[in-house]
Amino acid sequence: GDSVTQTEGQVALSEEDFLTIHCNYSASGYPTLFWYVQYPGEGPQLLFRASRDKEKGSSRGFEATYDKGTTSFHLRKASVQESDSAVYYCALSPNTGNYKYVFGAGTRLKVIA
Amino acid sequence: NSKVIQTPRYLVKGQGQKAKMRCIPEKGHPVVFWYQQNKNNEFKFLINFQNQEVLQQIDMTEKRFSAECPSNSPCSLEIQSSEAGDSALYLCASSLGQQDTQYFGPGTRLLVL
Repeated sequence: GDSVTQTEGQVALSEEDFLTIHCNYSASGYPTLFWYVQYPGEGPQLLFRASRDKEKGSSRGFEATYDKGTTSFHLRKASVQESDSAVYYCALSPNTGNYKYVFGAGTRLKVIA
Repeated sequence: NSKVIQTPRYLVKGQGQKAKMRCIPEKGHPVVFWYQQNKNNEFKFLINFQNQEVLQQIDMTEKRFSAECPSNSPCSLEIQSSEAGDSALYLCASSLGQQDTQYFGPGTRLLVL
């Protein structure tokens, strides 16, 4: 079945560090890929999405590029802030008549001031 | 910010009791999803609707959960007989169409004692 793998369970950085969270997926065809962020006590909030190979999504300084060749959608940010501390989820929507999301395990980001 | 409203935010029940939670989808969104997020941050799809019609649901939802999305009323998810393993964050999401981006509410955190 479809799956999403996030390799980092936890990431600890200092402010202004560069962030990379790896996301690889397994699905047939062209799923839509998403990055969501979840703060304590809240539901997941959409960061951005991408639907086509080489499409770049971006928001709030975060970005990721859909790469069908490597089946990846890695999240990057050049300079993190303490306020970016949260849990980040990569997700996919299969677009094949089964539209429920498949989520990765999540990556907890802690940014130290 | 998402405009999906979920009530109550917190719910405490004893084992065997009914637990009911509600969701008002974002205005104009006919598609509603329910997910369960456990303490390990894993998401489990429960059921989804388009208008008042169930599109998909998992076995657990068919047997112990009841859900509906009546016209002109909030959607609801009810656990008929709560079990300790049902303790989780229940997330409602809505979208314009089955393939469109899902927007999540803040969730109802259920604790079954």
